[in-house]
Amino acid sequence: AQTVTQSQPEMSVQEAETVTLSCTYDTSESDYYLFWYKQPPSRQMILVIRQEAYKQQNATENRFSVNFQKAAKSFSLKISDSQLGDAAMYFCAYRTNFGNEKLTFGTGTRLTIIP
Amino acid sequence: SQTIHQWPATLVQPVGSPLSLECTVEGTSNPNLYWYRQAAGRGLQLLFYSVGIGQISSEVPQNLSASRPQDRQFILSSKKLLLSDSGFYLCAWSVGLQAIYEQYFGPGTRLTVT
Repeated sequence: AQTVTQSQPEMSVQEAETVTLSCTYDTSESDYYLFWYKQPPSRQMILVIRQEAYKQQNATENRFSVNFQKAAKSFSLKISDSQLGDAAMYFCAYRTNFGNEKLTFGTGTRLTIIP
Repeated sequence: SQTIHQWPATLVQPVGSPLSLECTVEGTSNPNLYWYRQAAGRGLQLLFYSVGIGQISSEVPQNLSASRPQDRQFILSSKKLLLSDSGFYLCAWSVGLQAIYEQYFGPGTRLTVT
């Protein structure tokens, strides 16, 4: 079974600075997808960025980018120019490319933005 | 554009009472639908998923059940709630755009069993 590990329960960053959130996963599959979701205080899960495992190029979405290391099974999220609205819980998630498209989530990292 | 609705937003129920949470999706056809539960301070756990009307798969054995009476309606039920059923319940949908099946979540229901 796949597992997703987020080893940083809490992180903080000064506004306008850069922060990196860590995520590692365990799988025996070669074809899969990885996602970062943001959960603000409203608790609605918002998709931030996705990465297809067959793509070597790291995904980017505006101020959000990932560092995908397939061999190391690592998938970190970098947030540049942090803004107050980035404060939230961030969840890393894995989805197999076979079967029911089930998402396996990590336990999350709470990000605090310091003004 | 697609939207997903969940209700109620919050619910307080006594142990042993029944439960019905509803989720509806607008703006898409034949979506895959999912129910997740998030316990306090933890990630999300998939409870049920459905690829079509009447087709339900359970991921975790428990006293909850799910039904999909219409294409864009997904219902989570229980005949008798347990204290351990407290949590935040999220419904999600996906469609196979480019086979990626990104999942999009509703606003959630906070359930407290007393």
